[in-house]
Amino acid sequence: DIQMTQSPSTLSASVGDRVTITCRASQSISSWLAWYQQKPGKAPKLLIYKASSLESGVPSRFSGSGSGTEFTLTISSLQPDDFATYYCQQYNSFSLTFGQGTKVEIK
Amino acid sequence: QVQLVESGGGVVQPGRSLRLSCAASGFTFSSYGMHWVRQAPGKGLEWVAVIWDDGNNKFYGDSVKGRFTISRDNSKNTLYLQMNSLRAEDTAVYYCAREKKLEWNDARGIFDIWGQGTMVTVSS
Repeated sequence: DIQMTQSPSTLSASVGDRVTITCRASQSISSWLAWYQQKPGKAPKLLIYKASSLESGVPSRFSGSGSGTEFTLTISSLQPDDFATYYCQQYNSFSLTFGQGTKVEIK
Repeated sequence: QVQLVESGGGVVQPGRSLRLSCAASGFTFSSYGMHWVRQAPGKGLEWVAVIWDDGNNKFYGDSVKGRFTISRDNSKNTLYLQMNSLRAEDTAVYYCAREKKLEWNDARGIFDIWGQGTMVTVSS
């Protein structure tokens, strides 16, 4: 299985900050990477797919980049609604795998 | 509106079985691949299984292969997960999720609609 590693595991930031989360794959996954946001007690929400395509309805402050084995999720100006846990997921091959998550906390 | 509603969770003893259901509404269920994804308490997301729209192709995560079976009834707009030989490590919230339709030459396997989840606890 392809292993996905996110960093950092926890991130403390303030409203208005630019935030970047990194996701690394154990082998090349081309651009087959998605990002999800999850709030406590809720199901995940799709933000980004194909590494950089913004899901419909997702604010433009979210962006994704990367290919091969290294990817980033950037929030250009952190908003109060963005404090949550973020997961990357590869879909290059079944078995689909997720990163361990990055919790974005209020500083 | 587009909706997925899971049911069937509960407390079950190790070694026993449980069947989860996921009722779909608001979209053409038979046109979409469907997945189960789980999340152990306080942990991350783990993909469990997928079934393609026509039900003819199924894939499973390594941790459930041979014990869990995914199925669907397109006439009832319902997805199922039969879980046998349950273990303590199967304790989790189980989500059903709709596979997002992408371009014909794109890889598949991302989720655009999720249910609210159903909790499965395996304990003696």
